Amino acid sequence: DSGVTQTPKHLITATGQRVTLRCSPRSGDLSVYWYQQSLDQGLQFLIQYYNGEERAKGNILERFSAQQFPDLHSELNLSSLELGDSALYFCASRGQGENEQFFGPGTRLTVL
Amino acid sequence: GEDVEQSLFLSVREGDSSVINCTYTDSSSTYLYWYKQEPGAGLQLLTYIFSNMDMKQDQRLTVLLNKKDKHLSLRIADTQTGDSAIYFCAENPGANNLFFGTGTRLTVIP
Repeated sequence: DSGVTQTPKHLITATGQRVTLRCSPRSGDLSVYWYQQSLDQGLQFLIQYYNGEERAKGNILERFSAQQFPDLHSELNLSSLELGDSALYFCASRGQGENEQFFGPGTRLTVL
Repeated sequence: GEDVEQSLFLSVREGDSSVINCTYTDSSSTYLYWYKQEPGAGLQLLTYIFSNMDMKQDQRLTVLLNKKDKHLSLRIADTQTGDSAIYFCAENPGANNLFFGTGTRLTVIP
């Protein structure tokens, strides 16, 4: 158990809809990262937050957004969903001065 | 840009050693990582190596780094059926976020 939690575990929705994925980092970790794992794109970095502020952006679509709250949990919002957004979405957290990222169990999103 | 390559599949017999290889492109990566993903599960950090090291050993795991050739390998000694999983190498080219390889699916034959 990495100490990173994600909810929900599974999410099934329809095209055009909007969903919110939630991540709670390990206790005290200020950095949260979001990654997408899909069959055709592999594991891709989406976005990083550090103590509430956006720190780095990867291959994140404009339809996707994220935020980190004062209690350090983070949410990834996916809107106008398309079939190709079906994927596993992972969040990871990292402690200050640490080199490792610890991953949550992921949220499996299926868009029908 | 970053490009991390791995072969897709590896099969070994139980008790043999497994060697999973990875090549990366960004020489500025400070650390290189190995993660394990079991079916239906998240990514488990196995080990990582600092870029100025050549080798790191951790129980059954040995990581070798050839910085000149930008080649990283993970050796698993005495491979067990529980080692069957997908193994990802990853680099972090100074930006803290990770760039992952395609993953190598290791199948251990009893």
